Amino acid sequence: AQTVTQSQPEMSVQEAETVTLSCTYDTSESNYYLFWYKQPPSRQMILVIRQEAYKQQNATENRFSVNFQKAAKSFSLKISDSQLGDTAMYFCAFVYGSSNTGKLIFGQGTTLQVKP
Amino acid sequence: KAGVTQTPRYLIKTRGQQVTLSCSPISGHRSVSWYQQTPGQGLQFLFEYFSETQRNKGNFPGRFSGRQFSNSRSEMNVSTLELGDSALYLCASSFYPKTSGSFTDTQYFGPGTRLTVL
Repeated sequence: AQTVTQSQPEMSVQEAETVTLSCTYDTSESNYYLFWYKQPPSRQMILVIRQEAYKQQNATENRFSVNFQKAAKSFSLKISDSQLGDTAMYFCAFVYGSSNTGKLIFGQGTTLQVKP
Repeated sequence: KAGVTQTPRYLIKTRGQQVTLSCSPISGHRSVSWYQQTPGQGLQFLFEYFSETQRNKGNFPGRFSGRQFSNSRSEMNVSTLELGDSALYLCASSFYPKTSGSFTDTQYFGPGTRLTVL
């Protein structure tokens, strides 16, 4: 079964500090794509970052970066210089295989609170 | 470019009724996926449509159905509503260019429709 596990239900960080959210996944596929989405209290799901499994280089997007460890099936998200607007639930997700087009598999989410 | 829009934003129905939710994708996007989000089950995939054809389906009963129109707009329908159908229903669209050999493209989400079944 293809699964995503986010082991930290809740986390908090002080404004301007760095925080890392964990994600592990399980798949027997060799080609897949990984994502982090953010869902603030407004409930609008927003793409944070995307990683292609065939790429060894870790993706970065401004203050957001990932640590992708393919062998360990780990895909953590690092948020640098945390801002109050980063307060949200963060979901790790992946998609694989031509028979599973459009089907994102999500983790249970990590609620992140950024404190002033 | 306008984002994904979903209507209505909020719905209240009673058990046994049926409901239709609508999703308009980003202009030029041809794939639409639907998800159900609940506190207990999290985010679960319902189905995906591309060029008016359902390409993929999640593990939901037949009461959940959908369709896609020639302009890529999509609707999902839930018949014989149950209390457990109360959820946030999210729609997401992606591009899928004709020449792409990829099996996926980044999905962009709408604001969701909050369905409450009484």
